[in-house]
Amino acid sequence: TQLLEQSPQFLSIQEGENLTVYCNSSSVFSSLQWYRQEPGEGPVLLVTVVTGGEVKKLKRLTFQFGDARKDSSLHITAAQPGDTGLYLCAGVGYYGQNFVFGPGTRLSVLP
Amino acid sequence: NAGVTQTPKFRILKIGQSMTLQCAQDMNHNYMYWYRQDPGMGLKLIYYSVGAGITDKGEVPNGYNVSRSTTEDFPLRLELAAPSQTSVYFCASSNDRGRSSNYGYTFGSGTRLTVV
Repeated sequence: TQLLEQSPQFLSIQEGENLTVYCNSSSVFSSLQWYRQEPGEGPVLLVTVVTGGEVKKLKRLTFQFGDARKDSSLHITAAQPGDTGLYLCAGVGYYGQNFVFGPGTRLSVLP
Repeated sequence: NAGVTQTPKFRILKIGQSMTLQCAQDMNHNYMYWYRQDPGMGLKLIYYSVGAGITDKGEVPNGYNVSRSTTEDFPLRLELAAPSQTSVYFCASSNDRGRSSNYGYTFGSGTRLTVV
């Protein structure tokens, strides 16, 4: 069974600060996704990365897939209160049937 | 476009009761999934379906059943509810299993179930 770890578990920062959250595994993934979930709602897809070393940008969010395809990071520049939420990573191996989700990083951006 | 619709949003069950969580999608997606989310535990896959008439167990299927008679609908049945089934349940769908760089899972807004 593939397991995903996310760190930190909780993060509370002031508006305007930068932050990075991490998603790690001992397994190799063919594809890795990041989602954001707001209270009372389902997760919403932010990005899918499929190539080792790949970097994708979504406005102030930068996603990187590790060269060895075992880890990923999400960097947020100049965080805003609207970035508050639970950030989930999910990965699937080359022979896996379905994505496995990490436990998430709960981010709180204070105004 | 409604996406994935789940009903009900909230439900309280007594131990031993049964209920069906409804899930419908209007995106013509072949793949559908049921997850449960417990605090600090992420999303655990209960059952999934790769198309009408085809279902398979996920990581935590015990105590649940599913059916997929149409592309649109994927109900989750709880028989003999237990306190351990207190959780938030999410239904999701995708059109290519989410492996490509363009697609992922579309989730419903969830059903919060409490078994007392």
